[in-house]
Amino acid sequence: EVQLLESGGGLVQPGGSLRLSCAVSGFTLSTNAMSWVRQAPGKGLEWVSGISGSGGYTYYADSVKGRFTISRDNSKSTLYVQMNSLRVEDTAVYYCAKVSFGVVNPYWYFDLWGRGTLVTVSS
Amino acid sequence: EILMTQSPATLSVSPGERATLSCRASQSVSSNLAWYQQKPGQAPRLLIYGASTRATGIPARFSGSGSGTEFTLTISSLQSEDFAIYYCQQYNNWPLTFGGGTKVEIK
Repeated sequence: EVQLLESGGGLVQPGGSLRLSCAVSGFTLSTNAMSWVRQAPGKGLEWVSGISGSGGYTYYADSVKGRFTISRDNSKSTLYVQMNSLRVEDTAVYYCAKVSFGVVNPYWYFDLWGRGTLVTVSS
Repeated sequence: EILMTQSPATLSVSPGERATLSCRASQSVSSNLAWYQQKPGQAPRLLIYGASTRATGIPARFSGSGSGTEFTLTISSLQSEDFAIYYCQQYNNWPLTFGGGTKVEIK
């Protein structure tokens, strides 16, 4: 079964750090670009970050650039995001999402989503 | 950054009726537009990509159209399981951006 499973969410104080993980199964992580998308409570979807299949290219929303770092360990079939200098406005459910495969380049829409992990930034 | 604007914010429809949802981009995104459905407490699900291609397993009552800056998602005959929030997303330019969503509710 193709599946994404996020973990690592929790309560953290402003200025703190957290690392989220996304374990994938049912497909080969190395052949797929991946992304993180978040959703603040009661709000819409916000793309956060993306990474190419090889890990050589990374992309970030301006709202997290310089604070978040996306990475992947294809040998462990796991995607990560390291979140530093967290702010109250980073409070959200964070979804791991698989980017659609393309023969030449990926198509950056999301054909598979995890169930999400909640990050709460509060003092 | 490309701004994606969805309208209306809320659409009240009776079961069996047709629903038409709109998504407008602040500049052309060609046909690089996807639609997602999200139900309460669940992750989003891909419905449409390439503006008009249904994703695997999506019923034929869902259809997408448009290109450039104007896009439409049509649900031809609403079923009970279709009441949800729908989001559009452009993938033509960085950063990737979503619309604010349209909530389809029971009339």
